Amino acid sequence: DGGITQSPKYLFRKEGQNVTLSCEQNLNHDAMYWYRQDPGQGLRLIYYSQIVNDFQKGDIAEGYSVSREKKESFPLTVTSAQKNPTAFYLCASSIWGSPLHFGNGTRLTVT
Amino acid sequence: SQQGEEDPQALSIQEGENATMNCSYKTSINNLQWYRQNSGRGLVHLILIRSNEREKHSGRLRVTLDTSKKSSSLLITASRAADTASYFCATDQGGSEKLVFGKGTKLTVNP
Repeated sequence: DGGITQSPKYLFRKEGQNVTLSCEQNLNHDAMYWYRQDPGQGLRLIYYSQIVNDFQKGDIAEGYSVSREKKESFPLTVTSAQKNPTAFYLCASSIWGSPLHFGNGTRLTVT
Repeated sequence: SQQGEEDPQALSIQEGENATMNCSYKTSINNLQWYRQNSGRGLVHLILIRSNEREKHSGRLRVTLDTSKKSSSLLITASRAADTASYFCATDQGGSEKLVFGKGTKLTVNP
C-alpha cells in the first residue's frame, strides 16, 4: 500500500535539544511539505520541497531545518532556536498541483 | 498567513441532519480544497473545486464556490456519527505553490 509514514507518533525532548522528525513516502510524489498545528488552529507551513536537493521556507521556518536528499524522505529538525516547539507536526506529499496526502503526524512535547 | 477562515468554529448536530460549513478567503485562487481531520490524525482530502466551477458533489458532500464573494461552503447531508471530525478549507492563493489552510470547523454529530 502506498502512503506516507511519520515517526515516531509521540516524541518527548528536553528544552535546548535538537530533535529530528522522520517523514517517508512511497507514493513517488515530487513535492513534500511540513506543517505545524497548534490546538484549535489551522495548519501553518514550515518548509516545502518540490524536487530533490531543493526546498523553500514556508511561513514559519525560523527555528526549523530540513533536507531532501532522497525523493522519498523529507526529515524535519526542530532546533533549540525554535521558541515554542511543542506542537503537532504533519508531513504531506503531492504530485504538484494535486491534493495533499498527509501522514498521521508526530506530537512533539518539549519540557 | 491564514487565507481561509471557516465558520462556524464548532457545530453540533444530531445524526441524520445536514451540516453546513463556510469558508472565506482573501486573495484570488485557482482552486479551493476541503479536508477532514479526525482527532489526533492527519488530514484527508475530500474534494477540490476549481475557480471556474460553482458546485461539485461527491457522495454526501456538496461544495459550492462563489469567487465574487470569495467564499465556499461544504454541505454534508444525512450526517452520521462517523462524520465527527474537524473540517478545513485550503486555498492556493492564485496558483502559488503554497497551500494555505484555515482554522477549521469542529463538527460533532450526536447519535
